[in-house]
Amino acid sequence: DAKTTQPTSMDCAEGRAANLPCNHSTISGNEYVYWYRQIHSQGPQYIIHGLKNNETNEMASLIITEDRKSSTLILPHATLRDTAVYYCIVRGTGANNLFFGTGTRLTVIP
Amino acid sequence: DSGVTQTPKHLITATGQRVTLRCSPRSGDLSVYWYQQSLDQGLQFLIQYYNGEERAKGNILERFSAQQFPDLHSELNLSSLELGDSALYFCASSPREGWANEKLFFGSGTQLSVL
Repeated sequence: DAKTTQPTSMDCAEGRAANLPCNHSTISGNEYVYWYRQIHSQGPQYIIHGLKNNETNEMASLIITEDRKSSTLILPHATLRDTAVYYCIVRGTGANNLFFGTGTRLTVIP
Repeated sequence: DSGVTQTPKHLITATGQRVTLRCSPRSGDLSVYWYQQSLDQGLQFLIQYYNGEERAKGNILERFSAQQFPDLHSELNLSSLELGDSALYFCASSPREGWANEKLFFGSGTQLSVL
């Protein structure tokens, strides 16, 4: 699977949009971009995933650049409950698991 | 609630002992995955079972073993426990054998403390 690079930590003001970047410059054509988050020591929570097109669900939006070498997870109106470690993962066919890197620790500030 | 159930939530034991962690996947999911999360290692993939058969293996120690039963629940057995085995153990499940487009859903974990 392609490796990803994320900032170690970010802050975001409550109520503002949180934009979390991820670089995956070695991604191949059949690999998906996934985002998970882990709040404190809870189990990782699925947020969103995509292949080429931008995706949106009730939790977040995923913007993938045209060359697919980077992506951004957008939490439109961050709340204190969104404080967590966010993992960007690239996963391809035959990868029977998710490889979690170190992620981005997002702190939402009141 | 992800639908994945793990028991027990907490387990305290001594070095040299053996423990069993249990996981019930989401209804209808055929794959079960085990992950270990320790403070210095992050989330590490251990093993995957698909419909009762081992499907993929990660950094699982020989002292550890797992199985998936006909009702699709899974157990992770940890033996000859060492202090370094203290960690959070997560189970996840997915609908099929883990294709690229399949989401994994995680349980709330078992916190193992080896004293």
